[in-house]
Amino acid sequence: NAGVTQTPKFRVLKTGQSMTLLCAQDMNHEYMYWYRQDPGMGLRLIHYSVGEGTTAKGEVPDGYNVSRLKKQNFLLGLESAAPSQTSVYFCASSELKPTGPNQPQHFGDGTRLSIL
Amino acid sequence: SQQGEEDPQALSIQEGENATMNCSYKTSINNLQWYRQNSGRGLVHLILIRSNEREKHSGRLRVTLDTSKKSSSLLITASRAADTASYFCATDAFLTQGGSEKLVFGKGTKLTVNP
Repeated sequence: NAGVTQTPKFRVLKTGQSMTLLCAQDMNHEYMYWYRQDPGMGLRLIHYSVGEGTTAKGEVPDGYNVSRLKKQNFLLGLESAAPSQTSVYFCASSELKPTGPNQPQHFGDGTRLSIL
Repeated sequence: SQQGEEDPQALSIQEGENATMNCSYKTSINNLQWYRQNSGRGLVHLILIRSNEREKHSGRLRVTLDTSKKSSSLLITASRAADTASYFCATDAFLTQGGSEKLVFGKGTKLTVNP
């Protein structure tokens, strides 16, 4: 049982390049999230999904796009990378329970992205 | 915008001592969660406390919640070097889509436990 797996673990891009970060979960969770973590800023939500085929904006969505074509996968895209997007990106998932959607989140180990 | 703020930002103690971290938040919540993050790793969920609960225990962890003061504390008793990590509180905040909710994380407390 792998939990939440993020690929790649590290990546260096040049300004203007594009790339896709992949998140896969094997827990059959309904909810999936993409965060970025910057020094002194905590975690900030980029986009999230409440189920297959759905996506929604979080706190800092500009410059990113997401897709959730399959329940187990959540992709984060950078169309034209900028140095301000240098960060550590975390994917998380959580299940939907009768007590409500805000259940404990399971995190991947992150993707460290540098934009030169 | 940050919903939760941890205090202190950093804490250094000796093995065997207790560590207390505090979290303050701004708006009403349904629940508050604490997470741990080891260096270079993702966050790991520790404990969830609901707004109608005042205290919760899990092993060496004790969490309290005071909704009147909008604050929570995490106590780690008999700390070990392996407890060295950053600790984050997270509170729920309502979004507009279908009544679903998200977590808003604080900036964390960096705990160092010296052997």
